[in-house]
Amino acid sequence: GAGVSQSPRYKVAKRGQDVALRCDPISGHVSLFWYQQALGQGPEFLTYFQNEAQLDKSGLPSDRFFAERPEGSVSTLKIQRTQQEDSAVYLCASSSHRSSGGVYEQYFGPGTRLTVT
Amino acid sequence: DAKTTQPPSMDCAEGRAANLPCNHSTISGNEYVYWYRQIHSQGPQYIIHGLKNNETNEMASLIITEDRKSSTLILPHATLRDTAVYYCIPMGRQFYFGTGTSLTVIP
Repeated sequence: GAGVSQSPRYKVAKRGQDVALRCDPISGHVSLFWYQQALGQGPEFLTYFQNEAQLDKSGLPSDRFFAERPEGSVSTLKIQRTQQEDSAVYLCASSSHRSSGGVYEQYFGPGTRLTVT
Repeated sequence: DAKTTQPPSMDCAEGRAANLPCNHSTISGNEYVYWYRQIHSQGPQYIIHGLKNNETNEMASLIITEDRKSSTLILPHATLRDTAVYYCIPMGRQFYFGTGTSLTVIP
């Protein structure tokens, strides 16, 4: 079946622009996660949704970052007034497990590489 | 959340077993250990997980010490396609990937 897809795969933004990154999880997956991966580093947790509810947003680095999943399926990560330090790969993952605190097997998309110039 | 220590890099000859160690001495009693890998330019891929007992699936084997302070991922017959960064992750409130071990399988 179809895996997790993300779009766009690559995005170049000028500093100060707003960007929106899309994630299509595996159909029926309850849980959805966003991660940020800087060059040479492992992925870092940003936020977690269970259906449409955003249960954990402790990893969002600033109030310029906003995520939503209004219908419990597709999710969008929005970054306002982008800065150079926002340049990274943004990964989305979904899971069929409900997670109130722990994490389970996650299926990752290919990521969106954001470059802020 | 428990933190992990992994060697930054390892080499393995093609066809030989790759043994990737991980130290997670602060792991809690009910925290599973997950292993993921990330091939260049792709998202991470689940490999295996375990709690106390050794586990095996079609991809790998996981050996967890009796005190649960460390574990070893074993790829029994490494191939060139196993070249990737391997992450050992105690299951906590969030996934903490760390920097992992970069495994290079050499022809």
